[in-house]
Amino acid sequence: GENVEQHPSTLSVQEGDSAVIKCTYSDSASNYFPWYKQELGKRPQLIIDIRSNVGEKKDQRIAVTLNKTAKHFSLHITETQPEDSAVYFCAAAGAAGNKLTFGGGTRVLVKP
Amino acid sequence: EAQVTQNPRYLITVTGKKLTVTCSQNMNHEYMSWYRQDPGLGLRQIYYSMNVEVTDKGDVPEGYKVSRKEKRNFPLILESPSPNQTSLYFCASSPGQVLYEQYFGPGTRLTVT
Repeated sequence: GENVEQHPSTLSVQEGDSAVIKCTYSDSASNYFPWYKQELGKRPQLIIDIRSNVGEKKDQRIAVTLNKTAKHFSLHITETQPEDSAVYFCAAAGAAGNKLTFGGGTRVLVKP
Repeated sequence: EAQVTQNPRYLITVTGKKLTVTCSQNMNHEYMSWYRQDPGLGLRQIYYSMNVEVTDKGDVPEGYKVSRKEKRNFPLILESPSPNQTSLYFCASSPGQVLYEQYFGPGTRLTVT
């Protein structure tokens, strides 16, 4: 089955700096890659996603890039703010679009 | 308000006592899924359903059952809970029959002693 690895497990950045989280996946048939943000004690919330026919997608301060050849995708957060502090999860879904495999999560701390 | 609801939110039970965690969505979504979240292991998919009466196993289905008799409801059943099923459980739903743009419920924290 699919295996998703996420790095780093923790990330501390200064407010205003950029944060980058990287994920690799094993199933070359995977074609949907969402990112979720989970604040302490809350539910995961979708922040951005990308499908395999697109190499990059941006939404304000958040961007995701996908390299299908290398089977990796990354989340970029620019101009970080304290409210960006949370755990971020990447995930990958297979071609059928019915099973989702998550990475282990990255705890991001933005220091004011 | 569009939402996914779960009940109960917190549950402490004993080994072997059957329990059901309910999940309901009011968005007319076709796809629904259950996940468990454990420290260091992230979220893992237990079961999913692409439509009424259509369910299938995720990555960790052992010890769980589900049913989908109505579009809005997708209960998770633990016939004989064990301590290794102590976890935080999330239900999620998506429009269409695939899992794009999933909305998560608030979570159910289950402790099995």
